[in-house]
Amino acid sequence: GAVVSQHPSWVICKSGTSVKIECRSLDFQATTMFWYRQFPKQSLMLMATSNEGSKATYEQGVEKDKFLINHASLTLSTLTVTSAHPEDSSFYICSARDYSRIIWNEQFFGPGTRLTVL
Amino acid sequence: AQKVTQAQTEISVVEKEDVTLDCVYETRDTTYYLFWYKQPPSGELVFLIRRNSFDEQNEISGRYSWNFQKSTSSFNFTITASQVVDSAVYFCALSGETLRAGKSTFGDGTTLTVKP
Repeated sequence: GAVVSQHPSWVICKSGTSVKIECRSLDFQATTMFWYRQFPKQSLMLMATSNEGSKATYEQGVEKDKFLINHASLTLSTLTVTSAHPEDSSFYICSARDYSRIIWNEQFFGPGTRLTVL
Repeated sequence: AQKVTQAQTEISVVEKEDVTLDCVYETRDTTYYLFWYKQPPSGELVFLIRRNSFDEQNEISGRYSWNFQKSTSSFNFTITASQVVDSAVYFCALSGETLRAGKSTFGDGTTLTVKP
């Protein structure tokens, strides 16, 4: 149990285009999902916290108009990178909290999406 | 503020050697949770272990063992008889009760290379 999927697993796009990444909890309900960005040889940096049915909360320094997050259901959150530029190239990872196991503050991570902007 | 420090950036060992990965954390919370994750070259994070602040019992699971000491704010991870497949980046993470609904702070990671 507690499986999180991401789609696509990798994407290459031209500068100026928008890219949507999906994060799904497959066998549990996730009231909260998190989006992380990881540059090569670096740690995971939290971008935003996504709560079902409400606006996402962004970390300091993350442009909310550039990284649009929608958490429309208990099993799906999307991250849209708008007007992508080469500096947005990164590994994007989502995670989800299982509401039934909230006591552990545990997150279940997706396999990540590698974005390359040309 | 929450902080996780993994002082070892890279470690290289020869197969069958034991290796310990260090993790030191800072938090003002009385209730908090600690995690270790493994990230192989494929990129997907693999959950290894979790501990809450009230459970200092150390654990052994196969070749893995963990040493949690609140007195020194450390949560170290040891691999016994390392194997080439253990080569990966290992992250220590902290989630505290004052953090926003389970948000975790990650250390910078330790890259472990196990040579045959």
